[in-house]
Amino acid sequence: EVQLVESGGGLVQPGRSLKLSCAASGFTFSNYYMAWVRQAPKKGLEWVATISTSGSRTYYPDSVKGRFTISRDNAKSSLYLQMNSLKSEDTATYYCATVGGSRYWYFDFWGPGTMVTVSS
Amino acid sequence: DIQMTQSPASLSASLGETVTIECRASEDIYSNLAWYQQKPGNSPQLLIYDANSLADGVPSRFSGSGSGTQYSLKINSLQSEDVASYFCQQYNNYPPLTFGSGTKLEIK
Repeated sequence: EVQLVESGGGLVQPGRSLKLSCAASGFTFSNYYMAWVRQAPKKGLEWVATISTSGSRTYYPDSVKGRFTISRDNAKSSLYLQMNSLKSEDTATYYCATVGGSRYWYFDFWGPGTMVTVSS
Repeated sequence: DIQMTQSPASLSASLGETVTIECRASEDIYSNLAWYQQKPGNSPQLLIYDANSLADGVPSRFSGSGSGTQYSLKINSLQSEDVASYFCQQYNNYPPLTFGSGTKLEIK
């Protein structure tokens, strides 16, 4: 059974940093592209980042490019999201998700999410 | 960026009814479309990919259709457990990946 469990969320002041983690199990982690997707309170879904199987290629939307960094450790079956220069608009639940394929970027499994609140 | 326009924003239907949710892309996305269901308090779950392929374990009362810029999700014989928000997502032209704004489905 595929399991994704996020951690590392919490309350952080604007301008500070936070690092999220996602522990994966139940599948061959190194074979999957992985992603982060977020959802602001009572809002829709927003793609945040995707990383290739080896970690050599990363992709971001303009809203987080230059501030967020996605990474992975295949030996530990773990995914990470380093978030710097946080803004109030980054307040959201952050989900870790598996990507359907190297070309087909839908999300087939999701974790329960971790909440990040950016506030002074 | 491809814009995804989803309608309606909310929907109320009776048990046993058939409901349809629409998603329109700002350009042709060649059936590279997924649908997700998010039940209250839970994370999203994949329902449909490639516009009309049912994800593993999804009941057959859910179906997807469409082509070009117009897509729809149909739920036959509405059940109480179908109360949720539904989102479409295109993966034809990225980055960025883009989602529809969501449809909140309630039971009348």
